[in-house]
Amino acid sequence: GAVVSQHPSWVICKSGTSVKIECRSLDFQATTMFWYRQFPKQSLMLMATSNEGSKATYEQGVEKDKFLINHASLTLSTLTVTSAHPEDSSFYICSASPPGFYNEQFFGPGTRLTVL
Amino acid sequence: GQNIDQPTEMTATEGAIVQINCTYQTSGFNGLFWYQQHAGEAPTFLSYNVLDGLEEKGRFSSFLSRSKGYSYLLLKELQMKDSASYLCAVRASNTGKLIFGQGTTLQVKP
Repeated sequence: GAVVSQHPSWVICKSGTSVKIECRSLDFQATTMFWYRQFPKQSLMLMATSNEGSKATYEQGVEKDKFLINHASLTLSTLTVTSAHPEDSSFYICSASPPGFYNEQFFGPGTRLTVL
Repeated sequence: GQNIDQPTEMTATEGAIVQINCTYQTSGFNGLFWYQQHAGEAPTFLSYNVLDGLEEKGRFSSFLSRSKGYSYLLLKELQMKDSASYLCAVRASNTGKLIFGQGTTLQVKP
């Protein structure tokens, strides 16, 4: 099956610093990837759609200047949380669909971000 | 607006059958998904429905009624390892993005 990886799996940072999270499709090319955020005991909230070679599409209420998304290649999308604050602490998950697998999204293992 | 409702928590006994309901009101409809998520892990795909009716996959089945905006996930012969959160998600358009319900935490007891 298709595999999506994320790096790092967890990160702890100080308030005010920036953190970059990588999402890779390991055995397929993905023109579109999705970034979600999940707070404890809550469901996944879509943050943005990452499009290879073009600007990301952000959901309402998500600050594009705070959550920078770069989809520079067909196998890599990055999410940078700029000037992180404790309220940004969350579980960040990406997903992608391989060509021909339109009806199934494969999720990465997630990145646990803790901002002190 | 977009709204997807699921019960927050359910409890069932090992070996039993449990049905998790999901109702949705979305601006469009292009498929309904069920995912399983264990604590601290990413969701894993369980089922997909786009037409009315029942889709069976081993111990898991999923039903869809588009006219009622309703789906359920049926888990048979429950095992302890089935204790997890079950997420209902709707693809409201052809963009591929999913809208998730709040999830149902299922606890299976011996």
